[in-house]
Amino acid sequence: LAKTTQPISMDSYEGQEVNITCSHNNIATNDYITWYQQFPSQGPRFIIQGYKTKVTNEVASLFIPADRKSSTLSLPRVSLSDTAVYYCLVGYGQNFVFGPGTRLSVLP
Amino acid sequence: DTGVSQDPRHKITKRGQNVTFRCDPISEHNRLYWYRQTLGQGPEFLTYFQNEAQLEKSRLLSDRFSAERPKGSFSTLEIQRTEQGDSAMYLCASSSGGWDRVYEQYFGPGTRLTVT
Repeated sequence: LAKTTQPISMDSYEGQEVNITCSHNNIATNDYITWYQQFPSQGPRFIIQGYKTKVTNEVASLFIPADRKSSTLSLPRVSLSDTAVYYCLVGYGQNFVFGPGTRLSVLP
Repeated sequence: DTGVSQDPRHKITKRGQNVTFRCDPISEHNRLYWYRQTLGQGPEFLTYFQNEAQLEKSRLLSDRFSAERPKGSFSTLEIQRTEQGDSAMYLCASSSGGWDRVYEQYFGPGTRLTVT
């Protein structure tokens, strides 16, 4: 199973771009990378998913280098409501491993 | 609301009692997952269903835990003889299925279990 690491916490200011990196050195060939946002006492909310290169949707971008041993979630122009814990999830089939989570604090 | 729902949202029980949680997935999803999350940690995978078949169980799922998904619709997670270490948030997620790729999982609000 993939093992994942993330920074424990990050601070940012409103309007800035935030990049959160997840390391997954032993990612398997078939593993996908998914990012989730979680607020207190709620279930994780899907943000974005990718397999390789770059994926962009209306809320975020996901950058995955060629070796796929890490991935970076990019949140453009964060707001106070983006204060939450962000998790990467690596897996395929029935094997899924969440990272420890990065607590993002957005300051005014 | 067509999202994943879980019932109850909160459960307080005494050590040694049995508890059962229910999860109703998004209707068109054939895959259903159970996770456990303790305070300050990421969710830990417990088990997974494809339709009514339970395809994988984590070693975290001791013999006191059992999960079912009759008819491939809702699922139940039962914990027998609860212990204080079982106190956690139990999360259910569902997704589309297929062996060609991974589909994003959509999570319910969770059931918070407190064992006293």
